[in-house]
Amino acid sequence: DQQVKQNSPSLSVQEGRISILNCDYTNSMFDYFLWYKKYPAEGPTFLISISSIKDKNEDGRFTVFLNKSAKHLSLHIVPSQPGDSAVYFCAASIPEKLVFGKGTKLTVNP
Amino acid sequence: NAGVTQTPKFRVLKTGQSMTLLCAQDMNHEYMYWYRQDPGMGLRLIHYSVGEGTTAKGEVPDGYNVSRLKKQNFLLGLESAAPSQTSVYFCASSSARRLHFGNGTRLTVT
Repeated sequence: DQQVKQNSPSLSVQEGRISILNCDYTNSMFDYFLWYKKYPAEGPTFLISISSIKDKNEDGRFTVFLNKSAKHLSLHIVPSQPGDSAVYFCAASIPEKLVFGKGTKLTVNP
Repeated sequence: NAGVTQTPKFRVLKTGQSMTLLCAQDMNHEYMYWYRQDPGMGLRLIHYSVGEGTTAKGEVPDGYNVSRLKKQNFLLGLESAAPSQTSVYFCASSSARRLHFGNGTRLTVT
């Protein structure tokens, strides 16, 4: 049973436009959510997070939105840059454990 | 400050052979994790540890064992490797619910 779902395996956007990556979760016990970015042959790196008591968190070009009633979160990247091309993993946390989605491969075209 | 270091980076095993993957962290984190990443499957938790001397099963623990004899090290063992264990293995440690990953070990079992 997949508790964290990223239904889009891939996304392609033009440089300068907005990238929106989506994530759904099923377990209402998750209380902290994170996005990780992964380049080939490297480990995932932390990008941005949000607590379940908030509905938005911003860090520069990256904004994460959380809709608890819909059990949905999204990552917005504005403006998108070619260096943002990577696999993005959504993750949901309960104390001690992080559950990851399958990832979305983002390609930003120059 | 190296963060999380995994050794080896690559390994090829024959079916039935055994090996140990080593993870070392220099951030004094209590929690450590082993994940595997397979195409289309995202990151799946194998085992984790909440402190020195403790271990617990994740979602895909079968065929693996772990040990956390020292706080800074987390070992992942394969007693009898199978082709289904061909994967990229990532170790992570965590602080404030944020995981820091190593760069992975690519294991091929023939």
